[in-house]
Amino acid sequence: NAGVMQNPRHLVRRRGQEARLRCSPMKGHSHVYWYRQLPEEGLKFMVYLQKENIIDESGMPKERFSAEFPKEGPSILRIQQVVRGDSAAYFCASSQGQGEKLFFGSGTQLSVL
Amino acid sequence: KQEVTQIPAALSVPEGENLVLNCSFTDSAIYNLQWFRQDPGKGLTSLLLIQSSQREQTSGRLNASLDKSSGRSTLYIAASQPGDSATYLCAVWGSGANSKLTFGKGITLSVRP
Repeated sequence: NAGVMQNPRHLVRRRGQEARLRCSPMKGHSHVYWYRQLPEEGLKFMVYLQKENIIDESGMPKERFSAEFPKEGPSILRIQQVVRGDSAAYFCASSQGQGEKLFFGSGTQLSVL
Repeated sequence: KQEVTQIPAALSVPEGENLVLNCSFTDSAIYNLQWFRQDPGKGLTSLLLIQSSQREQTSGRLNASLDKSSGRSTLYIAASQPGDSATYLCAVWGSGANSKLTFGKGITLSVRP
């Protein structure tokens, strides 16, 4: 049973480009969470999704950021027109249900030049 | 708004020492509390999960306690080893609907041989 898979592991973008981060949850998990981690800071919640639904996006900037978790395929975190301040490690986690044990992927390190 | 605090930010101990990592949270209405370990450049590994109705959980050399009324948790590591060197993060699930996991900034532990 593979764990939470995130790709790419590292992503380099120039300012103004788009970044797409992918997350495949653990088998049997329908709850997906995205977190962002900046140097010297803790993990900050961005968005919580269940299959085809966004449950809570209170931690996600209203502009340029979007997330989806389609019926088939991985969850996608999309950042349009990236800026240097978007450089961070983005982690995805999944669980069987809300409040259940959370399993994290290895993260995507986004670097904006 | 839930806030999770972990002090100190860093700790260095000699091998073999028993140690305690502290975590405090502001809102005692939690569903559960989890301790994670993060190695440099890696994702998070779940260590222990304590339900709000429980007082402690044990796994090997690790023991986590929870005092919900005072908003505190401790992670006890017995007979520390250099391989225990990592960042340890405490996180709490809120008890409300659609709640999320709120993280502290972590404690970076270094165990000297």
